[in-house]
Amino acid sequence: NAGVTQTPKFQVLKTGQSMTLQCAQDMNHEYMSWYRQDPGMGLRLIHYSVGAGITDQGEVPNGYNVSRSTTEDFPLRLLSAAPSQTSVYFCASGARRGEQFFGPGTRLTVL
Amino acid sequence: AQSVAQPEDQVNVAEGNPLTVKCTYSVSGNPYLFWYVQYPNRGLQFLLKYITGDNLVKGSYGFEAEFNKSQTSFHLKKPSALVSDSALYFCAVTRNTGFQKLVFGTGTRLLVSP
Repeated sequence: NAGVTQTPKFQVLKTGQSMTLQCAQDMNHEYMSWYRQDPGMGLRLIHYSVGAGITDQGEVPNGYNVSRSTTEDFPLRLLSAAPSQTSVYFCASGARRGEQFFGPGTRLTVL
Repeated sequence: AQSVAQPEDQVNVAEGNPLTVKCTYSVSGNPYLFWYVQYPNRGLQFLLKYITGDNLVKGSYGFEAEFNKSQTSFHLKKPSALVSDSALYFCAVTRNTGFQKLVFGTGTRLLVSP
């Protein structure tokens, strides 16, 4: 049981480049979400999904897209990277009324 | 709108002493409350949660938290701190309807000295 996995662990992009952060979970959780963590700001919700085919925006969705074609996978796409998107990104999954399980994170730097 | 306040950026405590990390929240309706811990360069680990029932919740690694509805607080406590408890602690809240959209506090760094 791998839990929540994220790839890559580290990434450096140039301004304007696009990329996809991968997230997968093997716990059959309905709920998946993406957060970004910035110093002094805690974690902020970017996008979330309550099941395959259903996604919605969180607190800071601009510049990011998501899709959920399967229960297991929830990729996060950066359309045109900006320095303001330099952050640590965490994917999480959980069941209704339960705690969320977090992946190890992706550290992204945009130059 | 939901919000969480962790008023202390850092808490310092000597090993063996009791520790408290404070959290207050604001949410419409009944809250679900969570504490997570983050060690350096790691993801968040779940410590404990309050959903309903007993106001005193016990969690992992000897931690506990007390839900106080009148003071809208959910302080994290441990009777005897360990050096290995040194980490970043986050309080989070969501509403008890539907799925979770967690709102996190800004975190409190706990430093336990030998």
